Amino acid sequence: AQKITQTQPGMFVQEKEAVTLDCTYDTSDPSYGLFWYKQPSSGEMIFLIYQGSYDQQNATEGRYSLNFQKARKSANLVISASQLGDSAMYFCAMREGGTGNQFYFGTGTSLTVIP
Amino acid sequence: SQTIHQWPATLVQPVGSPLSLECTVEGTSNPNLYWYRQAAGRGLQLLFYSVGIGQISSEVPQNLSASRPQDRQFILSSKKLLLSDSGFYLCAWSGDSTWDEQFFGPGTRLTVL
Repeated sequence: AQKITQTQPGMFVQEKEAVTLDCTYDTSDPSYGLFWYKQPSSGEMIFLIYQGSYDQQNATEGRYSLNFQKARKSANLVISASQLGDSAMYFCAMREGGTGNQFYFGTGTSLTVIP
Repeated sequence: SQTIHQWPATLVQPVGSPLSLECTVEGTSNPNLYWYRQAAGRGLQLLFYSVGIGQISSEVPQNLSASRPQDRQFILSSKKLLLSDSGFYLCAWSGDSTWDEQFFGPGTRLTVL
């Protein structure tokens, strides 16, 4: 089974609107971390936000927030007030406490912000 | 602060030629190190990771190999490149904890002709 599933290959959002990028995960380990990365066309992978499995509150970093629903095993990324510079690929990833060293990545979602 | 360097940025190599990509990390000690490959428009494929000097775990059996001769140096090699080795190669490092994120280098675009 896939450890990380991103079901939206491509998304469009109007500038200044909010957008949610979906991510579901599969693990039986009680300790895990969930991460989101942005990859613009230049190719660099930029770390955006992190959520730990024991965190009680949803993570937020500026315009990014993570909608963490543990029972549903989902960790959706919410980008508020979209900007043209947000157009990029977005990857969700997980790191399990048991194995610890591997990061499991989803297939990514391509986000296009429309002016 | 920590930084991660990768070189070269781009590389064009003929089929059958050797390969050596280098990655170094500054500002941290005993990092976990990773090599990924990304085909155009696709996700990340983990190739190798290392938790210490001389300790290499291979995720995909192929004609590539990795070495970690120093604590903060990770090298990806091949004796004979295949067409299918073309792609974007990313090096990354992380701390030991489950809660530590991964930081990526700028990547190397490899084209095998």
